[in-house]
Amino acid sequence: QQPVQSPQAVILREGEDAVINCSSSKALYSVHWYRQKHGEAPVFLMILLKGGEQKGHDKISASFNEKKQQSSLYLTASQLSYSGTYFCGSGNTGKLIFGQGTTLQVKP
Amino acid sequence: DAGVIQSPRHEVTEMGQEVTLRCKPISGHNSLFWYRQTMMRGLELLIYFNNNVPIDDSGMPEDRFSAKMPNASFSTLKIQPSEPRDSAVYFCASSFRTGGDNEQFFGPGTRLTVL
Repeated sequence: QQPVQSPQAVILREGEDAVINCSSSKALYSVHWYRQKHGEAPVFLMILLKGGEQKGHDKISASFNEKKQQSSLYLTASQLSYSGTYFCGSGNTGKLIFGQGTTLQVKP
Repeated sequence: DAGVIQSPRHEVTEMGQEVTLRCKPISGHNSLFWYRQTMMRGLELLIYFNNNVPIDDSGMPEDRFSAKMPNASFSTLKIQPSEPRDSAVYFCASSFRTGGDNEQFFGPGTRLTVL
């Protein structure tokens, strides 16, 4: 079952913050986050493996609430380079099922 | 180190023709995944291999699609006969092993247009 992401699209000004949510109706064993820029391949951001786990990479971080079967991606003080489509992936028994994506546009 | 290599990068063909997409995974990676991306359906997993063996092909849309991995460094996705609705970007990805705890590395994709 495909995870559901919200919102579908976000427009920000440089320096603003954003949160992207990912939820699943089935148990989440792990959550992956990828970013895809227009015309390019998805690029890995991070994996969260355990409930309660939080990770950060530069000013992008994520949390994983296993009980609520959801994960959130936090983008702090957004930069122009953050623009793209963000996908969460539900990991289970060897494969990933991706959400529909959240398009983020950062304007100067 | 070279990343995942896919060829061709672009393919334009006519309905009914056979199409073969190629992928070379990252050396040492044991798992290979084929995805299809369209605006309507997003990023869909078609099939994945572990140690050259197909593990799950439940995402393959129909019998017109087939995939092989004859060795650890090469995989093909074939569509025969192709139809306009097959137009999409096809990505190949590889990871060190299967399992939800492994990062996947994506190739640049093949943009397929079926006229």
